[in-house]
Amino acid sequence: DAGITQSPRHKVTETGTPVTLRCHQTENHRYMYWYRQDPGHGLRLIHYSYGVKDTDKGEVSDGYSVSRSKTEDFLLTLESATSSQTSVYFCAIRGDRVGANTEAFFGQGTRLTVV
Amino acid sequence: KNEVEQSPQNLTAQEGEFITINCSYSVGISALHWLQQHPGGGIVSLFMLSSGKKKHGRLIATINIQEKHSSLHITASHPRDSAVYICAVSPNTGNQFYFGTGTSLTVIP
Repeated sequence: DAGITQSPRHKVTETGTPVTLRCHQTENHRYMYWYRQDPGHGLRLIHYSYGVKDTDKGEVSDGYSVSRSKTEDFLLTLESATSSQTSVYFCAIRGDRVGANTEAFFGQGTRLTVV
Repeated sequence: KNEVEQSPQNLTAQEGEFITINCSYSVGISALHWLQQHPGGGIVSLFMLSSGKKKHGRLIATINIQEKHSSLHITASHPRDSAVYICAVSPNTGNQFYFGTGTSLTVIP
């Protein structure tokens, strides 16, 4: 199994509070992604990173920020959590081998409930 | 606009049946991924394909690049195969994935 872990696995927080989710990898992969998974919508990209300090927005980035200060960690922050951000959040990693496709690996998910 | 379409959305089968899940996509791709998610669980990568066919145990994945179509087959299905199966593609341009909305499979003993 690929070395990718998410923390926490479950969290309940109150509306308006900041929340940070962590994705940690031991594979030294270049690309890291944060997705949210909601019924009827499948997986939607929030933000992704293509290197240390290099990040870009996905289709549902409003209300979220990210940081990647080192290769192994990709942090997702909800600055002021809202009930609409109740979801299951998945981190994914993908390598970058020139001339070859690389497999994607996913974390176990973080179930976030905003009350 | 959905770059990746899966069918069926839901599938119920009796144990032992042969199962096929289909995936069609509309963009040029460098690879196609089949993923599995058990209820309440994480997402596991089953296959990554760029051409032809791959087999792992009772699972077989095929891809036809010209027709922009892939299939996931499960032979001799078992209740533990009950899960959501997700098709995803790595497009030729960009660093993101496009995901299908998943096929929910239930295998009844």
